[in-house]
Amino acid sequence: KNEVEQSPQNLTAQEGEFITINCSYSVGISALHWLQQHPGGGIVSLFMLSSGKKKHGRLIATINIQEKHSSLHITASHPRDSAVYICAVPSGGSNYKLTFGKGTLLTVNP
Amino acid sequence: NAGVTQTPKFQVLKTGQSMTLQCAQDMNHNSMYWYRQDPGMGLRLIYYSASEGTTDKGEVPNGYNVSRLNKREFSLRLESAAPSQTSVYFCASNPRDPYDSPLHFGNGTRLTVT
Repeated sequence: KNEVEQSPQNLTAQEGEFITINCSYSVGISALHWLQQHPGGGIVSLFMLSSGKKKHGRLIATINIQEKHSSLHITASHPRDSAVYICAVPSGGSNYKLTFGKGTLLTVNP
Repeated sequence: NAGVTQTPKFQVLKTGQSMTLQCAQDMNHNSMYWYRQDPGMGLRLIYYSASEGTTDKGEVPNGYNVSRLNKREFSLRLESAAPSQTSVYFCASNPRDPYDSPLHFGNGTRLTVT
């Protein structure tokens, strides 16, 4: 089974700061997911990536397949970015099974 | 555009009671999933359905049953609820599998078993 470690577990930032959240996994993969869970509980998919970098607005996701590591960056952070950010990778054994990280709780203060 | 709709949002059960969590998606997705989320743990897969008419066990299937009623609907049943099943349950769907496309989640059901 693929093991997923996210760091940090908790992150507090001031509005405008550049944020980096990290995700490491143990077994080579073909795709990695980044998700956002709002304070109200809803979960939204941010990115799915298998190589290189993807950008959406102020969010950037990168992945290094050789290093088994991915990062989620938020530029010019805003209080509305406060959420739990979760990475997920294939578990192995089935195309339908994902292993999810425990999440990084981000709080952005005004 | 409703996406993935879960009902109910909240439920309190007594130990031994049964209930069914409902999930429906209007995106014509083939695959549907049920996850549970517990404090300090990542989301864990209970059951999934790769297509209409098929269901398979995930990581934590004990104590649960599922039905893929049609392409739109995927229900999760607790036949005899236990306090260990207190959790937040999420239904999700995607066109094929997580190697292929991102997941779309419902808003969750918070279940408490006393």
